[in-house]
Amino acid sequence: AQSVSQHNHHVILSEAASLELGCNYSYGGTVNLFWYVQYPGQHLQLLLKYFSGDPLVKGIKGFEAEFIKSKFSFNLRKPSVQWSDTAEYFCAVNAGPSGGSYIPTFGRGTSLIVHP
Amino acid sequence: GAGVSQSPSNKVTEKGKDVELRCDPISGHTALYWYRQRLGQGLEFLIYFQGNSAPDKSGLPSDRFSAERTGESVSTLTIQRTQQEDSAVYLCASSAIRVNNEQFFGPGTRLTVL
Repeated sequence: AQSVSQHNHHVILSEAASLELGCNYSYGGTVNLFWYVQYPGQHLQLLLKYFSGDPLVKGIKGFEAEFIKSKFSFNLRKPSVQWSDTAEYFCAVNAGPSGGSYIPTFGRGTSLIVHP
Repeated sequence: GAGVSQSPSNKVTEKGKDVELRCDPISGHTALYWYRQRLGQGLEFLIYFQGNSAPDKSGLPSDRFSAERTGESVSTLTIQRTQQEDSAVYLCASSAIRVNNEQFFGPGTRLTVL
């Protein structure tokens, strides 16, 4: 069974600070990896995804994530956060096409608060 | 095109009553998922529909929970004899299963059981 760990449950930053949110998963096969974001009062939406190819993935609003297979990690980064990045961030993983399961497993989420 | 829609957006009910939540997926999406999100917690998988295959009900927490889907369209999640611990936001998502399983989420239904 796959599992996802997000180590930081609450992060508080000032604007312009750099951000890194950790995500580790446990699954031995090919994986698809996602970061979703939920802004206050809005529904979950995809931030970025990794399926194959370049392990450094760029998403919307200046976010990026790096897939490090040896570490089973898919950490989310942004060099300079803005107040508008205040949101809940969820990492998710599901087995790749050969894994037979399209049901993703979500991490517990990280609440990010950015002070202006 | 329209995204995933859910209704009602909010539902307040009394303990012991039955509730029915509705999800309209994106047209053409063969996969549909229901999740529960309790306050301060992550997404808890409930049930998964894929085309005409038998649904994966492995996440349903008790036999009070059930869901149906008509073909590749609307789905309803029913909670019978609601309990206070059922209070949560219920999220629906759909995906075009052959496009690497990116999920599109609806706005959720906030259920409050008094």
